[in-house]
Amino acid sequence: AQSVAQPEDQVNVAEGNPLTVKCTYSVSGNPYLFWYVQYPNRGLQFLLKYITGDNLVKGSYGFEAEFNKSQTSFHLKKPSALVSDSALYFCAVLSSSASKIIFGSGTRLSIRP
Amino acid sequence: SQTIHQWPATLVQPVGSPLSLECTVEGTSNPNLYWYRQAAGRGLQLLFYSVGIGQISSEVPQNLSASRPQDRQFILSSKKLLLSDSGFYLCATRGDPGTRGYTFGSGTRLTVV
Repeated sequence: AQSVAQPEDQVNVAEGNPLTVKCTYSVSGNPYLFWYVQYPNRGLQFLLKYITGDNLVKGSYGFEAEFNKSQTSFHLKKPSALVSDSALYFCAVLSSSASKIIFGSGTRLSIRP
Repeated sequence: SQTIHQWPATLVQPVGSPLSLECTVEGTSNPNLYWYRQAAGRGLQLLFYSVGIGQISSEVPQNLSASRPQDRQFILSSKKLLLSDSGFYLCATRGDPGTRGYTFGSGTRLTVV
């Protein structure tokens, strides 16, 4: 079975500060890991993915995520937050043998000016 | 690249009325297709998925049904809507895991009154 957990319902950060949105996962086999962002009344947009290779993955809008196999984590990070980064963020996991991606419950990121 | 079209964008329907939401996919053939519901701007609930024409898997018992009459068409239906059917409905297709995981449509906001 595969699962993904986003332990924080909301993350609040001041503009210009670094941000981290946490994600841990559980899969059998090698994981494929994703981050998506959702703006109000819109579909989900792809941010970045980890399939294999370097543990630090760079994605859209200056976001990056670090794959940590020993901690089964895939935290989303950005060195300097923007007010426009305020949105709902979803972590997702797919095992190499599965047919469905499993999404976390989402973390609402709020960046204050 | 894959593109998903969903319509309508918003819908207000009375309790007891029927429902039909349509999703079509471009840029791929024989796609895996998914219907998700998102309540109150938070987590995604997988409702149905389809791996081919006429093949529908239901994830949760509910008042809704899905059909796939053509390779790139996925329809979500109900004979009689309930208040609890209100939500944001998203259609998605799965690309190769080496690409972007899932591609999402722009969603349909359904309000049952």
